[in-house]
Amino acid sequence: QQQVKQSPQSLIVQKGGISIINCAYENTAFDYFPWYQQFPGKGPALLIAIRPDVSEKKEGRFTISFNKSAKQFSLHIMDSQPGDSATYFCAASMGNNDMRFGAGTRLTVKP
Amino acid sequence: GAGVSQSPRYKVAKRGQDVALRCDPISGHVSLFWYQQALGQGPEFLTYFQNEAQLDKSGLPSDRFFAERPEGSVSTLKIQRTQQEDSAVYLCASSPAGASGRALHEQYFGPGTRLTVT
Repeated sequence: QQQVKQSPQSLIVQKGGISIINCAYENTAFDYFPWYQQFPGKGPALLIAIRPDVSEKKEGRFTISFNKSAKQFSLHIMDSQPGDSATYFCAASMGNNDMRFGAGTRLTVKP
Repeated sequence: GAGVSQSPRYKVAKRGQDVALRCDPISGHVSLFWYQQALGQGPEFLTYFQNEAQLDKSGLPSDRFFAERPEGSVSTLKIQRTQQEDSAVYLCASSPAGASGRALHEQYFGPGTRLTVT
């Protein structure tokens, strides 16, 4: 049962461009929405996270936009760099341990 | 400080063999999680410990999977009679807080163990 749907599956962006990855969730009980970045051979690393009481959170070049009524949230990477090339996972959790991940987006930033 | 470490990093097992995967969480982290990540997919929850107590094992796919954390630090995920469908990366994550803490959500992942069953 896929509770978090992520798109696109892959994304190619030119250096300096904006990368946008979208996620949609089903369960309104989710109360924490993180984004993870994963490089090949490494574990996922927490990038940025948001709670449903705010509509936007920005940390450096990374911004999460959250639409509670639409049950959607997105990651925007401004001024994308080749070093940002990785797989990005959105996730949603509720309570203590129930973290559900999207299927991932493979981002390639071309120099 | 040291992050979450896992060993071995790679494991090849013949079908039917038993395997044991180890996770060393960040020192002092109360919560520990195991995930299974199939190729090209996101991690899927297997089980969760708070200290030595296994509070949730609902994600374990079969009774061939067993996890323990006897002293509330290092954890071992054991898979008995491995099958080809068990081939995946097994990720361990730890978190500093227990069930009552919001920081519980901030999970720190290890590099994973890639299991290949032939």
